[in-house]
Amino acid sequence: ELKVEQNPLFLSMQEGKNYTIYCNYSTTSDRLYWYRQDPGKSLESLFVLLSNGAVKQEGRLMASLDTKARLSTLHITAAVHDLSATYFCAVRTTSGTYKYIFGTGTRLKVLA
Amino acid sequence: DADVTQTPRNRITKTGKRIMLECSQTKGHDRMYWYRQDPGLGLRLIYYSFDVKDINKGEISDGYSVSRQAQAKFSLSLESAIPNQTALYFCATSDSTYQPQHFGDGTRLSIL
Repeated sequence: ELKVEQNPLFLSMQEGKNYTIYCNYSTTSDRLYWYRQDPGKSLESLFVLLSNGAVKQEGRLMASLDTKARLSTLHITAAVHDLSATYFCAVRTTSGTYKYIFGTGTRLKVLA
Repeated sequence: DADVTQTPRNRITKTGKRIMLECSQTKGHDRMYWYRQDPGLGLRLIYYSFDVKDINKGEISDGYSVSRQAQAKFSLSLESAIPNQTALYFCATSDSTYQPQHFGDGTRLSIL
């Protein structure tokens, strides 16, 4: 069974600090996605990671993928209040029938 | 106008009622998806469609049905609503399994 686990589930951090969100998945996949959801809003795509070792950066966010470890990270550098949101990773399995599974999300709160 | 439009945005109804949630898109994507979001559970795939003649069950399709009326329209029905179907429902589209999904603004459904 494909499982996607994120940790932490909730993160409160001070502005200016760095932190990393982890996304572990349980089966073969070479496609991993990161999305952002603001409270009461829809999901917005942040990154698409398509190969082992892929690294993408946008502003204060950097995502990486290690397909051998089945792990993706979302690193936050010098957090600002505007980054407060819930972050989801999602995995598209490459084996068997189509499955697109979301993690449970990490709710990030950046304190001014 | 939004690229992916969901109607209604909010709905309160009673147990046993039939409900239809509608999704239309102007992105020209072939692939459309229905998800439900519950607190602490992330998003779970209900049904997906890769083109007008292709409909597939997701991980939680029991109690739901869908109709793909055209490339741009994908409806989700609850034939006889029950309280544990209370959730936030999202429609999404994509033009391939490599590209991220584009989400509508969601329908908040409450079943009393």
